[in-house]
Amino acid sequence: AQSVAQPEDQVNVAEGNPLTVKCTYSVSGNPYLFWYVQYPNRGLQFLLKYITGDNLVKGSYGFEAEFNKSQTSFHLKKPSALVSDSALYFCAVSRNTGKLIFGQGTTLQVKP
Amino acid sequence: GAGVSQSPSNKVTEKGKDVELRCDPISGHTALYWYRQSLGQGLEFLIYFQGNSAPDKSGLPSDRFSAERTGGSVSTLTIQRTQQEDSAVYLCASSLRNPGATNEKLFFGSGTQLSVL
Repeated sequence: AQSVAQPEDQVNVAEGNPLTVKCTYSVSGNPYLFWYVQYPNRGLQFLLKYITGDNLVKGSYGFEAEFNKSQTSFHLKKPSALVSDSALYFCAVSRNTGKLIFGQGTTLQVKP
Repeated sequence: GAGVSQSPSNKVTEKGKDVELRCDPISGHTALYWYRQSLGQGLEFLIYFQGNSAPDKSGLPSDRFSAERTGGSVSTLTIQRTQQEDSAVYLCASSLRNPGATNEKLFFGSGTQLSVL
């Protein structure tokens, strides 16, 4: 069975500092990994995905994520956080079966 | 339309009543998903359609929940004999193909906020 864990309910970071939102997954075989973001009062938006190839994936709004097969992780990162990055972030995993399983979500709070 | 459309945006119902939630995906998108987002919870997978068929119904919480999709387009999620624990935001998403395909991603609607009194 597929599963995703986001161990932190909330991450707090000061504006301008680097940020990391953690995600680990469990799936048999090769995973397809995703990050989505939900801004306040707005729908979920795609940020980035990893299917194959380079372990470092770059996405929208300056975000990137690193696939680590040995640690079964896909942490979301950004070198310099903005207040406007404050939102709810979801990690998700699929195995090309069409079923996309999301984690519980992590609230990112960036303070000025 | 330009995006995934869900209706109604808000639904208040009494315990025991049936409700129907509608999702109009982006034109041409073959894959359609229903998720449930409860307060303090993540996104709970309910059901997935590829065309008109549902290869995976494993997420439906009980036999009170059902969904159908006709013409490879509009989908309805029906909850019979609603209970208070059904209160949540029901999200629909669509994608052109299977999200495992290269460069595929899900496009989400704004959701239906269901409140069961």
